[in-house]
Amino acid sequence: EDQVTQSPEALRLQEGESSSLNCSYTVSGLRGLFWYRQDPGKGPEFLFTLYSAGEEKEKERLKATLTKKESFLHITAPKPEDSATYLCAVQETSGSRLTFGEGTQLTVNP
Amino acid sequence: DAGITQSPRHKVTETGTPVTLRCHQTENHRYMYWYRQDPGHGLRLIHYSYGVKDTDKGEVSDGYSVSRSKTEDFLLTLESATSSQTSVYFCAISRGLAGSYEQYFGPGTRLTVT
Repeated sequence: EDQVTQSPEALRLQEGESSSLNCSYTVSGLRGLFWYRQDPGKGPEFLFTLYSAGEEKEKERLKATLTKKESFLHITAPKPEDSATYLCAVQETSGSRLTFGEGTQLTVNP
Repeated sequence: DAGITQSPRHKVTETGTPVTLRCHQTENHRYMYWYRQDPGHGLRLIHYSYGVKDTDKGEVSDGYSVSRSKTEDFLLTLESATSSQTSVYFCAISRGLAGSYEQYFGPGTRLTVT
């Protein structure tokens, strides 16, 4: 059974204070690892897909990296508008389903 | 914007009544999904569809049924709603093609069963 664990559950940063979110996963065969951003009262918004260990992707202040057991979402010099819950999900090679972690709630104070 | 709408956006219903939630997409994607999101559990898959009239169960399918008679619409039905089905329900779509497995989500339906 696929498992996804995200840490920390919640993270408070000051504006400009860089940090990383962790997503550890167990899957029999990884097709892809996905990062999403979710704002209160809205649906998850797709950010990145990572397919293989060593892969990195960037978007503005966010950079996602992948190893064989975990992924990190690095946030560089965050701004208050980066405040959201960040979700990680994995997809097995054998199917189309996603298994989600419970998310990390990020708050960036001005 | 992946062209996904959900209706209704909010609903309050009584225990034992049937409820149908609708997901509509405008981009002809093959795969459609229904999830529920609850505190402490994250997003969990209820049912999904890989084509018209082709559906399969997810991890929390008990008490739910689905139908897909047209590519653009995926319906989720609670035959007899229970308080444990109070949740936020999200529909998602995916192209399901090599290099494009990501899912895009709708705005959600908040369902309260009293």
